[in-house]
Amino acid sequence: NAGVTQTPKFRILKIGQSMTLQCTQDMNHNYMYWYRQDPGMGLKLIYYSVGAGITDKGEVPNGYNVSRSTTEDFPLRLELAAPSQTSVYFCASSSAGGSTDTQYFGPGTRLTVL
Amino acid sequence: AQSVTQLDSHVSVSEGTPVLLRCNYSSSYSPSLFWYVQHPNKGLQLLLKYTSAATLVKGINGFEAEFKKSETSFHLTKPSAHMSDAAEYFCVVSDQRGGFKTIFGAGTRLFVKA
Repeated sequence: NAGVTQTPKFRILKIGQSMTLQCTQDMNHNYMYWYRQDPGMGLKLIYYSVGAGITDKGEVPNGYNVSRSTTEDFPLRLELAAPSQTSVYFCASSSAGGSTDTQYFGPGTRLTVL
Repeated sequence: AQSVTQLDSHVSVSEGTPVLLRCNYSSSYSPSLFWYVQHPNKGLQLLLKYTSAATLVKGINGFEAEFKKSETSFHLTKPSAHMSDAAEYFCVVSDQRGGFKTIFGAGTRLFVKA
């Protein structure tokens, strides 16, 4: 069981470039989440998905897009990178979306936009 | 509205001495509360969670936390710190509306001195 995997681990983008952060989980979890972590701050929810084909915005969705074509994969797309998107991005999954459910996190992608 | 406040951004202890990481929360609903640990360049890992059962919750690696409704607190403790405990710790609140209404604290970095 690999759990939640994310690629790439690190990336440097120029302003205006686009990229896709990949996230895959092998636990057959219905719920998946994308967070960003800025220095000295807690994690902020960007987007989440409750199952294949269903996504919704979190707290900070501007500048990002997501899709969920399969249960396993939940890619995050940055269309026009901006310096404000420099952050560490974490993907997570949970078996259900209940308040008591544990979220399982990937190792993160460190993105720098210059 | 719900929120979570970690009262210390940094805590430094000597190896073998007790650890106390403080967390206060507010929630309009019956909350679930979590502590996650993040080791350098790793994803978050669940330490323990409170889900309205026993108020004293035991987690992995000797950590425990006590839910005190009257004080709206969920402090994390460990009797004896180990060097491997050096990490960032996040207090998290989630209410009955579901996992996508999860709020993360800003984190407390724990330093352990030899």
